[in-house]
Amino acid sequence: GENVGLHLPTLSVQEGDNSIINCAYSNSASDYFIWYKQESGKGPQFIIDIRSNMDKRQGQRVTVLLNKTVKHLSLQIAATQPGDSAVYFCAENIQNDYKLSFGAGTTVTVRA
Amino acid sequence: GAGVSQSPSNKVTEKGKDVELRCDPISGHTALYWYRQSLGQGLEFLIYFQGNSAPDKSGLPSDRFSAERTGGSVSTLTIQRTQQEDSAVYLCASSLGAGMGYTFGSGTRLTVV
Repeated sequence: GENVGLHLPTLSVQEGDNSIINCAYSNSASDYFIWYKQESGKGPQFIIDIRSNMDKRQGQRVTVLLNKTVKHLSLQIAATQPGDSAVYFCAENIQNDYKLSFGAGTTVTVRA
Repeated sequence: GAGVSQSPSNKVTEKGKDVELRCDPISGHTALYWYRQSLGQGLEFLIYFQGNSAPDKSGLPSDRFSAERTGGSVSTLTIQRTQQEDSAVYLCASSLGAGMGYTFGSGTRLTVV
């Protein structure tokens, strides 16, 4: 079935560099996307979201890009810090459905 | 409350015993969700509630799993006759409604020995 997936399961980043985490989705009806961060031993935490009427949204040190043409979502983290080490999940929502569909997750490790 | 609260945070149980996991969602959130996360894995959907009813129970792995929600608030996930493969983190989330993001609790880590 259609689902949200991630290009890479792990990402190692040098502290201070920018990180880019990618996510592919296959359902063209999806109109709401969210990135979550999950630190070890904790529940997923909301980072940033974007609706399909936008292609870019910025937060504090994070930017989400949405390319509906190729059904691709990315999360950019500027000046990556050790505290950014976590698993990052993308999630999609289809036309006001109650349920989010989650990707498999990308583990980001920040090297000092 | 200010966030989604789950209890207990950790539970160790013997194989064959029943366990109850509790979730207290954010006040006013009508939708409540249960997910399961095995070690190093993604999020496996179990069930969701709208108010006290459960329109989607499709993710419950077997009839040993059940859940209820009362008063449109607290939910309990019950696992009967636990098996070792039930060992996982059980996450609860709530949201204001359709098309909205979830707020997750910290989860209950269940270990069946």
